Amino acid sequence: EAGVVQSPRYKIIEKKQPVAFWCNPISGHNTLYWYRQNLGQGPELLIRYENEEAVDDSQLPKDRFSAERLKGVDSTLKIQPAELGDSAVYLCASSLGPYRGNEQFFGPGTRLTVL
Amino acid sequence: GNSVTQMEGPVTLSEEAFLTINCTYTATGYPSLFWYVQYPGEGLQLLLKATKADDKGSNKGFEATYRKETTSFHLEKGSVQVSDSAVYFCALSDQSSGNTGKLIFGQGTTLQVKP
Repeated sequence: EAGVVQSPRYKIIEKKQPVAFWCNPISGHNTLYWYRQNLGQGPELLIRYENEEAVDDSQLPKDRFSAERLKGVDSTLKIQPAELGDSAVYLCASSLGPYRGNEQFFGPGTRLTVL
Repeated sequence: GNSVTQMEGPVTLSEEAFLTINCTYTATGYPSLFWYVQYPGEGLQLLLKATKADDKGSNKGFEATYRKETTSFHLEKGSVQVSDSAVYFCALSDQSSGNTGKLIFGQGTTLQVKP
């Protein structure tokens, strides 16, 4: 069974440029999460989707970040414009449902460097 | 708010040594508790979990017991191997209204096992 797929694995951009990350969750997983992991820290949730609906985006900086999950499968996270402080690893995870005991499966992440 | 605190690393051990990584949490309600592991260059993988007080999660020789009285979920292994070298994250599932399934992570503890 394929795991969570993310692309690209690495991205280097200059500040003020736009960037987008793509995630394909495990087949059948209705819940999708985007996390940001700063260097030396644990991941922090940016947004959670139930199917195509964003049900928790309270930590998403909406002035520059946007996300979508068309058709409730693949998802894209965008930053426009990027700032130096956005350098981090962006992780996508999926699970069968949002219940507290459900395992979240993580992708390998996209390492973003903003110069 | 809810939070997770882990012992700072790096933790450096010789092969076959006993491992303990401390984790304490602050949470309302009855969260589920998790240990995730991140091997170099890979995504986070669930190592073990416990969903209620006094539960013991175990996997690959690792164990952790959900201690509600001390709000702890310490990770232990009786004999570590070089292949256990990784970053270990303690996490809880947020139980507050509207946040079901959200994981809150500690900052991670790096384990280095020397032959």
